[in-house]
Amino acid sequence: RKEVEQDPGPFNVPEGATVAFNCTYSNSASQSFFWYRQDCRKEPKLLMSVYSSGNEDGRFTAQLNRASQYISLLIRDSKLSDSATYLCVVNGKGGSYIPTFGRGTSLIVHP
Amino acid sequence: DAGVIQSPRHEVTEMGQEVTLRCKPISGHNSLFWYRQTMMRGLELLIYFNNNVPIDDSGMPEDRFSAKMPNASFSTLKIQPSEPRDSAVYFCASRTGGGQPQHFGDGTRLSIL
Repeated sequence: RKEVEQDPGPFNVPEGATVAFNCTYSNSASQSFFWYRQDCRKEPKLLMSVYSSGNEDGRFTAQLNRASQYISLLIRDSKLSDSATYLCVVNGKGGSYIPTFGRGTSLIVHP
Repeated sequence: DAGVIQSPRHEVTEMGQEVTLRCKPISGHNSLFWYRQTMMRGLELLIYFNNNVPIDDSGMPEDRFSAKMPNASFSTLKIQPSEPRDSAVYFCASRTGGGQPQHFGDGTRLSIL
């Protein structure tokens, strides 16, 4: 099993739709979790951290399920500008907290 | 605030040449990461420094690759000799602490002919 797995997609949705991505991780001792967004030919940019109790930032909601070892990202009212690749990141336990990136999920929002 | 600064933005060179990529982390960040991204392999962690000390270099593909961090504000990734299969986008990222997110530079697009 890969350390961090994501469905590559693409998820093709109309504007205004709600879409959700999951990301599973294998290290049960993982301590911190993040979602990044990467546009074509650009660097990954932090979208949001993922907290144990779940957290929301505008149209975006992130959740963590430690029992099943996955994190999720929900996007409501999708915009054309949300089209991008969404990467999940899991930081392992230990003093080094080495981050592991998923391969990303591609989202295409169409008119 | 200045973000992570990488140079050059683009590099095109012939195989066999030495390539040096540079990175200036965000001031106050004590961890620095070098990544390589290709369509085939995605984002790969090459090496990770903490307080200027290499902690994990298991992702460095082979001896042709080397990285240094002589001080808290500068790091280099060197490829010597370069090969066409080294063509990729190389990102540098930094963060403050283990539980914190990384911030990425714009990347260096490297093409080895």
